[in-house]
Amino acid sequence: SQQGEEDPQALSIQEGENATMNCSYKTSINNLQWYRQNSGRGLVHLILIRSNEREKHSGRLRVTLDTSKKSSSLLITASRAADTASYFCATDGGDSGTYKYIFGTGTRLKVLA
Amino acid sequence: DAGVIQSPRHEVTEMGQEVTLRCKPISGHNSLFWYRQTMMRGLELLIYFNNNVPIDDSGMPEDRFSAKMPNASFSTLKIQPSEPRDSAVYFCASSLTGLLYNEQFFGPGTRLTVL
Repeated sequence: SQQGEEDPQALSIQEGENATMNCSYKTSINNLQWYRQNSGRGLVHLILIRSNEREKHSGRLRVTLDTSKKSSSLLITASRAADTASYFCATDGGDSGTYKYIFGTGTRLKVLA
Repeated sequence: DAGVIQSPRHEVTEMGQEVTLRCKPISGHNSLFWYRQTMMRGLELLIYFNNNVPIDDSGMPEDRFSAKMPNASFSTLKIQPSEPRDSAVYFCASSLTGLLYNEQFFGPGTRLTVL
């Protein structure tokens, strides 16, 4: 299985602190995506990083990708209570012709006000 | 655009009954995905369509599950007969897929409870 696995499973921090979540996967990829899921809602796309990229920023989000270690990290800086959610990484199969993504197990982030 | 629309939002049924979940993807998107989410198994891809054609149904758990996409604006996921272990949140997602675009847009989900 190429399922991504997030680490840690759960994370609790104070508002204003940074939150770092990690994702490991098993097979080669074309790109990797991060999604957020608020309780009782669908997933929302945050950022996509391609296999030839090492780092990408979007607002308070910073994503890194290390294809040699088959791992990615998501950093949320200056966290807010509204960032409380579950965060998932999703990886493709590495084949250019497939749009099938496998989602990881998720990290539950709780930001305390 | 209203985003991906799913109906019903909640469904409670008894074991053995047929259940039909519906999805309207975002207009213009060419791929549609059905997922199931449970605490035990996480988010599982059941099936995905590209240009209304089923491409990969390897995630469909059993013959009790079937999915159709008769046109670009509508898809159904049917469970017949339903069992308590089918209880989960079912998500539909759509995407404009290609070399540069792979972001999936998720619907709000259908929470299915099979008694």
